[in-house]
Amino acid sequence: ETGVTQSPTHLIKTRGQQVTLRCSSQSGHNTVSWYQQALGQGPQFIFQYYREEENGRGNFPPRFSGLQFPNYSSELNVNALELDDSALYLCASSLLDRSETQYFGPGTRLLVL
Amino acid sequence: DAKTTQPNSMESNEEEPVHLPCNHSTISGTDYIHWYRQLPSQGPEYVIHGLTSNVNNRMASLAIAEDRKSSTLILHRATLRDAAVYYCILNLAGNKLTFGGGTRVLVKP
Repeated sequence: ETGVTQSPTHLIKTRGQQVTLRCSSQSGHNTVSWYQQALGQGPQFIFQYYREEENGRGNFPPRFSGLQFPNYSSELNVNALELDDSALYLCASSLLDRSETQYFGPGTRLLVL
Repeated sequence: DAKTTQPNSMESNEEEPVHLPCNHSTISGTDYIHWYRQLPSQGPEYVIHGLTSNVNNRMASLAIAEDRKSSTLILHRATLRDAAVYYCILNLAGNKLTFGGGTRVLVKP
């Protein structure tokens, strides 16, 4: 059973650019959730994808968007990057039910200059 | 959003038990209580979860108050590898986690 992987591990972008982060789900999981973790804070829920459809969004603007593919891997896209977007971006795969465990990847650390 | 309240930090000696409290007075009847921990430079890691009854697994025990307004995560014998931020989370419908600030656990040798 392979774990959740994310790529790239680190990324540096400049303000106004666009970025795509990738996540491979754990085998058998149909749900991917994305979180943003600023330095020194807990992760904040961005959105969730279930069977290729968005299934809930946190308090993030539309320039944060995503995709989930038929193999349940996922992408997070951020347009018009701002300095405050600098953070660790985490994805987690799971089944949908609230009793289920989420399995987190190691994250992608994004620095916006 | 249902919220949880945890102390900012706790210290423990190695090989001693650690009791991490969490208050969740706004919990509803169907909310699961989940605990995750985050070691330095890693993504969060599942620890344990429960609904009403106390739960045990190889990592920890979860004691849930009878009224479900609070719970306690118990690490039976803390090791240096247990030093992490521990998050108590109410898992609402659709498995979307709302993290708070967590409790930073320091383990002294």
